This record gives sequence, structure tokens and C-alpha cells, in this order.
Amino acid sequence: SSELTQDPAVSVALGQTVRITCQGDSLRTYYASWYQQKPGQAPILVIYGKNNRPSGIPDRFSGSSSGSTASLTITGAQAEDEADYYCSSRDSSGNLHVVFGGGTKLTVL
Amino acid sequence: QVRLLQWGAGLLKPSETLSLTCAVYGGSFSGYYWSWIRQPPGKGLEWIGEINHSGSTNYNPSLKSRVAISVDTSKNHFSLKLSSVTAADTAVYFCARGRYIYSGYDLDYWGRGTLVTVSS
Repeated sequence: SSELTQDPAVSVALGQTVRITCQGDSLRTYYASWYQQKPGQAPILVIYGKNNRPSGIPDRFSGSSSGSTASLTITGAQAEDEADYYCSSRDSSGNLHVVFGGGTKLTVL
Repeated sequence: QVRLLQWGAGLLKPSETLSLTCAVYGGSFSGYYWSWIRQPPGKGLEWIGEINHSGSTNYNPSLKSRVAISVDTSKNHFSLKLSSVTAADTAVYFCARGRYIYSGYDLDYWGRGTLVTVSS
């Protein structure tokens, strides 16, 4: 399958922990990458590989994976974390296309 | 620091060809996959396709019949052409750098995006 499935919306209270999940068969072969996108801006990479953060990404962002499910966890969510989050990976069916999840809108209450 | 600067026409009529170019500044041009992604207004991200420095391409099957991605390694540029556009092709188009790393694949640098509107 070439699909990645995400919950459309998630909310979290300020300072609390939230997990955003992404499910798909390709995640059994490839780690998911995670992107944060704020309105009117380009996506930025926040997690790649097993659990790696690019320079400048706060350590409250972490990633994990189990079977066909990848998760992005924000520990101590801040107001500035309110954004859309997308997961992505290569398709593992042999065509090596890039697939994106439908995105999760995170609201920080 | 890697920067991707993109440009192209922002308003097209139906049946015209969309044409965008992305220039890469900083970093190596080889060893990466140079991608185009689009995002219709209010919707999610859709991968259009990619090219490597050798010119090997890979396209989203839903767009493959209308898409062509090319590369000019002498200028560190890559380009997107999408033919026979319709209103459904109205979107923000992003260029990005793709890489394999740590048993995963990610897009670590992105252009700022170009809004392309198709309207008669």
C-alpha cells in the first residue's frame, strides 16, 4: 500500500504531551519523516530517521516507530507548536514514490 | 547553508503549461533527489516527482502523463513542467531536497513555494 494515514486533528493543553500518529505499510521498511507547517509557510523537517532532529528543532520533539505505525511526540507543547504536521516516507512497494500522510492539525489549548 | 530559490509564472489559463524552476545554493547538488511537491488551497501535500543529478526521474503516477522534471547541473537548477493544466492544478508548488538517511527518506530543505492559479 502507498498510503499513510493520520488523524485529521489533535488538541493538547499548553505544557502537556501530545502524540501524533501515522500508519502505513511503508513504515515497516522506512522510518517516517515528520514536517511542521504553519499557515502561509513551507513545511520544515522536524524529525527524520529513527529519532533525529535537524539543527534548531527543540528537543521537545521526538519520534518513534513500531511496526507500521510512526509517532511524533511533543513533550511540553508550546503555543508556537500549533501547526499542521505531516508524515512522509518512500513507498515500499517497489516504485519508490514519496508518500505523505493527510496531515494532522494540532491545536494547543 | 542550503537555500532553494524558486520562481515561475503564477497565473495560467486552462490547457497551458506550468513551468517552475528551482535554484540550489550551498551544499552538493549530487547525491540528492530534487523534488517538487504541491499543496492545493486548504489541503495536504502531494508529491509530484523528483530527479537526481544524473537526470533519473520518478513521478507520481497520477500526474505522470503530464509532468516533466529536468535538471541543469551546470547551474544547480531543476525545473518542473506540467502540461494541460486545469483548475484542479491550482496549488502552492514547492521544490525540496530529498535524501536517504538512517533507513529513512526525508526532504530536508524546501523552497518558499509558488502559488500557481489556473483560471480562465
